[in-house]
Amino acid sequence: KAGVTQTPRYLIKTRGQQVTLSCSPISGHRSVSWYQQTPGQGLQFLFEYFSETQRNKGNFPGRFSGRQFSNSRSEMNVSTLELGDSALYLCASSLYWTGEGKNIQYFGAGTRLSVL
Amino acid sequence: EDKVVQSPLSLVVHEGDTVTLNCSYEVTNFRSLLWYKQEKKAPTFLFMLTSSGIEKKSGRLSSILDKKELFSILNITATQTGDSAVYLCAVGYGNKLVFGAGTILRVKS
Repeated sequence: KAGVTQTPRYLIKTRGQQVTLSCSPISGHRSVSWYQQTPGQGLQFLFEYFSETQRNKGNFPGRFSGRQFSNSRSEMNVSTLELGDSALYLCASSLYWTGEGKNIQYFGAGTRLSVL
Repeated sequence: EDKVVQSPLSLVVHEGDTVTLNCSYEVTNFRSLLWYKQEKKAPTFLFMLTSSGIEKKSGRLSSILDKKELFSILNITATQTGDSAVYLCAVGYGNKLVFGAGTILRVKS
């Protein structure tokens, strides 16, 4: 069974640009969550989608947005990039949103975003 | 504010040693605590704990949760160089997880 797939793996952008990252969950998984990982702040929750609906949202500005498609694939978008947005963006998928054992999140390898 | 604190921040041991990693938490809506191992990029799942006092075990790794004292420990016995990684603890509700900063474990041969 294929794992969580994130594309692209690496991305270099300049300040002010926007970027779209993609995540394909494990087959059959319906929930997709996004996290930002930086050396200073660690792993921080961005948002979670289940059945094309945003279920939870972290404390990030509105420049960070996401969506989920009917096949459970998800994209996140960051507009007006800032230097501080440089990070590893990780996507995780799980079977369901909640329910013991059903919401174990499995992570992809991430997209490394560098903002110059 | 939800908080997860891991200790120690880093640890160097020799092969064959036993290590104990700690995770304490203060979250408003606790449903589960998870442990992950992160070597290069993708954190890999180790354990999910929801009930207090029940030990989860997988080979040389084991973990237990104390919901009264709000902490969990991850034990690794007979460590190997392949155990070198960052170990992450996360707690939360549903799929909104709050992560600790991680413990960097280095196992020397």
